[in-house]
Amino acid sequence: IAGITQAPTSQILAAGRRMTLRCTQDMRHNAMYWYRQDLGLGLRLIHYSNTAGTTGKGEVPDGYSVSRANTDDFPLTLASAVPSQTSVYFCASSPGTNNEQFFGPGTRLTVL
Amino acid sequence: GQNIDQPTEMTATEGAIVQINCTYQTSGFNGLFWYQQHAGEAPTFLSYNVLDGLEEKGRFSSFLSRSKGYSYLLLKELQMKDSASYLCAVMDSNYQLIWGAGTKLIIKP
Repeated sequence: IAGITQAPTSQILAAGRRMTLRCTQDMRHNAMYWYRQDLGLGLRLIHYSNTAGTTGKGEVPDGYSVSRANTDDFPLTLASAVPSQTSVYFCASSPGTNNEQFFGPGTRLTVL
Repeated sequence: GQNIDQPTEMTATEGAIVQINCTYQTSGFNGLFWYQQHAGEAPTFLSYNVLDGLEEKGRFSSFLSRSKGYSYLLLKELQMKDSASYLCAVMDSNYQLIWGAGTKLIIKP
């Protein structure tokens, strides 16, 4: 692994299903983030983690949950997917909270 | 509320210079970032300004005026590969990035 990876690359999901988006980084960065990107809107922060063992809510946290059991992994879970969660999801990491963020390749999620 | 404004789309000619403006109103300020995002790809870091003035990095430069809540990204000697969206983001008092919707730059030969 080099940098930050996300899985799956894309997914089509039926409404009501549970889904976990995976994010792994090998840069030993303390901070990690989940964003969604929708056409015509800026990236919006869903959840973040400043260090392993801690998480916080961003601008649009409803319907999503995260965990940060270790430094490398930061999965995002949709407990019961709805069509409005159709979006491109980016995971990012940074060495600290006031540094540039490095982005994963994204997951394109469609909820039908 | 917090707000980042940048033009939706700009067109420029290969070899020319283009300036992409960004104005912001945020709760606190801990720096302004510019990112480049090619279609279908992830954003990649271009520049960071925390003090007033111009930061130059090769063909790209970024300017900041904190008193005016204003920044611009200047791209010189435009190349076709510079066709992308350019995202302005401000780090607020909680060290969270507030993002503009991005400026789509179209380069014509």
